[in-house]
Amino acid sequence: IVMTQTPLSLPVTPGQPASISCKSSQTLLHSDGKTYLYWYLQKPGQSPQLLMYEVSSRMSGVSERFSGSGSGTDFTLKISRVEAEDVGVYYCMEGIHLPWTFGQGTKVEIK
Amino acid sequence: EVQLLESGGGLVQPGGSLRLSCVASGFSFSWYAMSWFRQAPGKGLEWVSGMGAPGGPDVYYTDSVKGRFTISRDDSKNTLYLQMNSLRAEDTAVYYCAKRDPGSHFDLWGQGTLVTVSS
Repeated sequence: IVMTQTPLSLPVTPGQPASISCKSSQTLLHSDGKTYLYWYLQKPGQSPQLLMYEVSSRMSGVSERFSGSGSGTDFTLKISRVEAEDVGVYYCMEGIHLPWTFGQGTKVEIK
Repeated sequence: EVQLLESGGGLVQPGGSLRLSCVASGFSFSWYAMSWFRQAPGKGLEWVSGMGAPGGPDVYYTDSVKGRFTISRDDSKNTLYLQMNSLRAEDTAVYYCAKRDPGSHFDLWGQGTLVTVSS
């Protein structure tokens, strides 16, 4: 499966919203009814951290400013109001077909 | 504290071997499926290998490492391993281990260990 993210670079003003798109080459809807799409954030110098799983479920401790949506092959991660701590590279990942694959990453930086 | 700690990275010549280790603490390691990921310098994330449901025989590899890498675990030592043979320059990367939640997402990652393949 090919995962395609846009944009690849996203300069944002603090307090403003931001949105990242992720499209998969095949449906991520499993026969069990779940959609295996995840969002990770890799902050500078750190390992990846899970933000969202199964499209829209927020990991414990993740700010409510983050939300995920979409279905099938088209997905979106939204940040309602960007803060300085949100900078880093955001990756979508599919978990339905081996080998599991990631999008290219979207670098979010503060203007 | 719940954490994963990788070790074993370093500089190795093309064609050489390394064994990476990932020690788990703060959770019941034997209950969880685990995987290895890697990130080449300045590049994105790549899944490398995984072990399926604990107690099961399932192991999985991305095509580029099949026949060269072997994943294994020792639940008595809370440790995941990645034996890497016939290393190539393109295997140069930071290698991360990650714990897989039963819901299928990887919810805990280690800090990574750098493998450099160069003459």
